[in-house]
Amino acid sequence: EVQLVESGGGLVEFGGSLRLSCAASGFTFNNYAMSWVRQAPGKGLEWVSIISDRGGWTFYAESVKGRFTISRDNFQNTLNLHMNSLRAEDTAIYYCATGISNNGNFYYDYWGLGTLVTVSS
Amino acid sequence: VMAQSPATLSVSPGERATLSCRASQSVGGNLAWYQQKPGQAPRLLIYDASTRAPGIPAKFSGRGSGTEFSLTISSLQSEDFAVYYCQQYNNWPRTFGQGSKVEIK
Repeated sequence: EVQLVESGGGLVEFGGSLRLSCAASGFTFNNYAMSWVRQAPGKGLEWVSIISDRGGWTFYAESVKGRFTISRDNFQNTLNLHMNSLRAEDTAIYYCATGISNNGNFYYDYWGLGTLVTVSS
Repeated sequence: VMAQSPATLSVSPGERATLSCRASQSVGGNLAWYQQKPGQAPRLLIYDASTRAPGIPAKFSGRGSGTEFSLTISSLQSEDFAVYYCQQYNNWPRTFGQGSKVEIK
C-alpha cells in the first residue's frame, strides 16, 4: 500500500526557516518524481515544487523560487522541503504527492495527509 | 493560468453538474481533475482530460482539449458535494485552477 506521511510542520516566525519531510513507502521510491503542493487555510491548491526520480532536476513555483529547496534521499525513501525566509503567505497545509501511474511527473494519484505550517508575523 | 467556473454551483441531489476549466494557453490534453472534501487530501478523478482514474465511477466524465475543459458529474449524490480542481501538466510550473465548489441546493 502506497503511503506518504508528512512531518515537520509547526509555528515559525516571519523570516524563519523550517524543514518538511515526507516518508514514502509501498512503492519503489527512486522510480518516481515527487512533488509538494500546498493549500492556504480556506483557499485552493497551489503547486510548489517537484524533484525528479534521481534528483537530477527540480522545478519551483515563482512564489517560492530562491527561498525553498526540494531534495530527496533515495536510501531513506524521504522527500524534503527546506523553507527559508518564510512569509505569512507561506502559511498552509503542505502535501507530499506523486503519480504512481505516470512516473510522478504529471498528475497526482497519491497524496499524504499534509502537515500544517503557520508563519507568525 | 487555469480559470475555473463557476466558483460555486448549487445543485439539487439527483441533478447533473458541469464545471468548466479554461487555460490561458494550450495544455493539449494534459489536464487532470481532483475532488477534495473538507479535511481531506485531494483525490484524482480524471487524467488526460477524459480518462477516469481507477475506482472512479462512470458518473464522472471529462472532456476538452487545448484551452477549454469540462467535468460533468451526473446524478449528484451527497458524497459528490465537494470542491473540484483542475490541474494542467503540460507546462512548467504545474498549475491548479482556483476550484469550484459544488454545494447542495
